[in-house]
Amino acid sequence: AQSVTQPDIHITVSEGASLELRCNYSYGATPYLFWYVQSPGQGLQLLLKYFSGDTLVQGIKGFEAEFKRSQSSFNLRKPSVHWSDAAEYFCAVGVSRDGGSQGNLIFGKGTKLSVKP
Amino acid sequence: DTEVTQTPKHLVMGMTNKKSLKCEQHMGHRAMYWYKQKAKKPPELMFVYSYEKLSINESVPSRFSPECPNSSLLNLHLHALQPEDSALYLCASSFRDRKESEQFFGPGTRLTVL
Repeated sequence: AQSVTQPDIHITVSEGASLELRCNYSYGATPYLFWYVQSPGQGLQLLLKYFSGDTLVQGIKGFEAEFKRSQSSFNLRKPSVHWSDAAEYFCAVGVSRDGGSQGNLIFGKGTKLSVKP
Repeated sequence: DTEVTQTPKHLVMGMTNKKSLKCEQHMGHRAMYWYKQKAKKPPELMFVYSYEKLSINESVPSRFSPECPNSSLLNLHLHALQPEDSALYLCASSFRDRKESEQFFGPGTRLTVL
């Protein structure tokens, strides 16, 4: 079955510390992977995406993610967290409908990031 | 223009009211989506439109009625809603309805059903 798991419901880091948010996916074919961020009461903003090629993907706001096929993981990282990074982070995989080219996003349950001053 | 706009931002309605949510994009995208998001949960897909035709209805109750009048507009008509329908309703669009397509989300409409 197609699924995305984000093992950490809530993470708190100190401002300036490094961050890693975990994401594991289950999908039989080539995964199309996304990380979105959502501030309270707002829509989702795409941070980065992986389709193929270089397994280390750079995104906006200083975020990066590494795709590891052997571990079915797509973890999000940032070397130094800012207070404005406090938000909900969703990992998602694009999956095919009915085996065709049309597809949907399947989201993980999200990880809430809190930042301590 | 790289944004998806949604109106209204907030909506309070009674269970007998009829209201509509509106979504607009001018990025030339031909796929548009409605999602429902409850607090502390990920978005749940409700409807997908591809080239102005309904492509997916994820078993959504008939009190939610989507409409795509043209390639830039997406509406969600609401009638006889229940309090449990209170949620953030998100619209999104993508270049095409494909599994690799990046979806652009609007800010959402916060709906409260009394």
